[in-house]
Amino acid sequence: GAGVSQSPSNKVTEKGKDVELRCDPISGHTALYWYRQSLGQGLEFLIYFQGNSAPDKSGLPSDRFSAERTGGSVSTLTIQRTQQEDSAVYLCASSLVDTGSGNTIYFGEGSWLTVV
Amino acid sequence: GENVEQHPSTLSVQEGDSAVIKCTYSDSASNYFPWYKQELGKGPQLIIDIRSNVGEKKDQRIAVTLNKTAKHFSLHITETQPEDSAVYFCAAPSYALNFGKGTSLLVTP
Repeated sequence: GAGVSQSPSNKVTEKGKDVELRCDPISGHTALYWYRQSLGQGLEFLIYFQGNSAPDKSGLPSDRFSAERTGGSVSTLTIQRTQQEDSAVYLCASSLVDTGSGNTIYFGEGSWLTVV
Repeated sequence: GENVEQHPSTLSVQEGDSAVIKCTYSDSASNYFPWYKQELGKGPQLIIDIRSNVGEKKDQRIAVTLNKTAKHFSLHITETQPEDSAVYFCAAPSYALNFGKGTSLLVTP
């Protein structure tokens, strides 16, 4: 597609349930990133994929968070046993290769997660 | 890893005035410095970027300056308009982008 696509755009879930957030990057982009943005806050790095591999998972807040990427394209961020503090916007971004090479990253519109 | 500091956190200006947002970074090897604008309910959008081989770049009413010796870079918006109201983020790269905490800019008519 023309841009980074994320789904769902909005999700309300009950505390303790699992959620899956999907990201479809720009075609041909090998690098994919997940960030989290809590209300009125900055952009917190979660995980980075180069192809299907995740060289850096250091930003994942706890073992309830996991992510995978298949076929070098679509990525899924899974949050198990959701807690209220998981409520945030989850932003996906992609770039041609990693930003260390000075490549621009392009963001999707985000998935707004509310845990009640 | 790269550490990016951004100031101010909020900025209010009158329409037509200029706005300046400043960032510092820690890794002297960093060579690419983008600025993103985030409007309410949307994802961040790249508005301008600068690479380390230049000291200034302009695009209409926005400009970015870079001082590699001091490890800081700034965003300048001239002749501000109400539609410039948004949150602005600076960033510096490792393999991912490390963002500043953002500046909420309000342009009042």
